[in-house]
Amino acid sequence: DAMVIQNPRYQVTQFGKPVTLSCSQTLNHNVMYWYQQKSSQAPKLLFHYYDKDFNNEADTPDNFQSRRPNTSFCFLDIRSPGLGDAAMYLCATSRRLGPNTEAFFGQGTRLTVV
Amino acid sequence: GESVGLHLPTLSVQEGDNSIINCAYSNSASDYFIWYKQESGKGPQFIIDIRSNMDKRQGQRVTVLLNKTVKHLSLQIAATQPGDSAVYFCAENEDNQGGKLIFGQGTELSVKP
Repeated sequence: DAMVIQNPRYQVTQFGKPVTLSCSQTLNHNVMYWYQQKSSQAPKLLFHYYDKDFNNEADTPDNFQSRRPNTSFCFLDIRSPGLGDAAMYLCATSRRLGPNTEAFFGQGTRLTVV
Repeated sequence: GESVGLHLPTLSVQEGDNSIINCAYSNSASDYFIWYKQESGKGPQFIIDIRSNMDKRQGQRVTVLLNKTVKHLSLQIAATQPGDSAVYFCAENEDNQGGKLIFGQGTELSVKP
């Protein structure tokens, strides 16, 4: 059974049109992460939540925002998608931050910008 | 900045052979490492982890070796199978930077039947 669920699996959006990707988890984990993965590259951390505390990476563009209305759900909002934002977006969860903590990933949402 | 990286971007092996995937890290404060397997179109899947107080850990057909002296990590896959074909990432859990999971470059493993 899937524990970290991302919807949709594939998303096509128009240049400049706001888009929201969603992630839900059944693990009741405290931490939720959003990663951006471009073709043939490693996942790059955009931000994470520890419970309700939001932590943005220094190089994450302002165009990317996130919401976590409750423990189970986390959303990635791209306010004005550009062609360079086309990528796989991965959501992950972990029980806590720090070492010895496994992160569980969803299947990802592949975003295409036209 | 400090980072986690891989030596080889691609690796091709014959079915049944052993595979070795390498990873170099530069953060001397790193204390936890994870290997992930990512199949095409899917999210990363946990394979095995190792703490910095260990130099070897074994799983089913996989072994991770950690050499802290040279800041090197490797993943060994015994009797490689076609189903092992994927991209393998090492990742570092940086406890001194808030405990975030940071990925290295990745190695694509291709298994020839």
